[in-house]
Amino acid sequence: DVVMTQSPLSLPVTLGQPASISCRSSQSLVYSDGNTYLNWFQQRPGQSPRRLIYKVSNRDSGVPDRFSGSGSGTDFTLKISRVEAEDVGVYYCMQATHWLTFGQGTRLEIK
Amino acid sequence: EVQLVESGGGLVKPGGSLRLSCVASGFTFSNAWMSWVRQAPGKGLEWVGRIKSKTDGGTTDYAAPVKGRFTISRDDSKNTLYLQMNSLKTEDTAVYYCTTENNGGMDVWGQGTTVTVSS
Repeated sequence: DVVMTQSPLSLPVTLGQPASISCRSSQSLVYSDGNTYLNWFQQRPGQSPRRLIYKVSNRDSGVPDRFSGSGSGTDFTLKISRVEAEDVGVYYCMQATHWLTFGQGTRLEIK
Repeated sequence: EVQLVESGGGLVKPGGSLRLSCVASGFTFSNAWMSWVRQAPGKGLEWVGRIKSKTDGGTTDYAAPVKGRFTISRDDSKNTLYLQMNSLKTEDTAVYYCTTENNGGMDVWGQGTTVTVSS
């Protein structure tokens, strides 16, 4: 199984400051079709998860442009340019290249 | 509006069975690949399994912890996805989410239904 490792697991951030979450996979996520199936999800307290990013860097409809995804191969990053109060929650990366596996989650809180 | 509504959760004893349903609306269900994802209390997300659209073969895939015990099926005439869970274990206790799959990931999620396996 592909193991997804996120860091940090806890991320205290001051409002208006940037935040960055790393996600590393145990093997390359480049699929045979040339795509890299790496997603990012946000789960606010008490809510269902919501996808933010698909195929490394593509934002889903309605996702604010302060969220961006980058990376390649085995190393990926989710960045929030300026954290807002509504960004509090747990963030998960997920790969769908080799079956589907999630990272452990990163809890973002306001400092 | 695209919507997924799960039902069927509840309390069941170890070794028992339960069937979850997920009614879809707002999109062409028959064309969609559908997945179930679960979340144990206070834990992260875990993919359970998926079913492809009939035009893509209608085949199913399962995560190792549920393979042989859980079965995913669909009724395209009713826009409904099912998860039949047999031989339930305490570690199957979780919120179960129904999701669509698009662009290599889950893009629409239901509100979830809670399954508790306990004696």
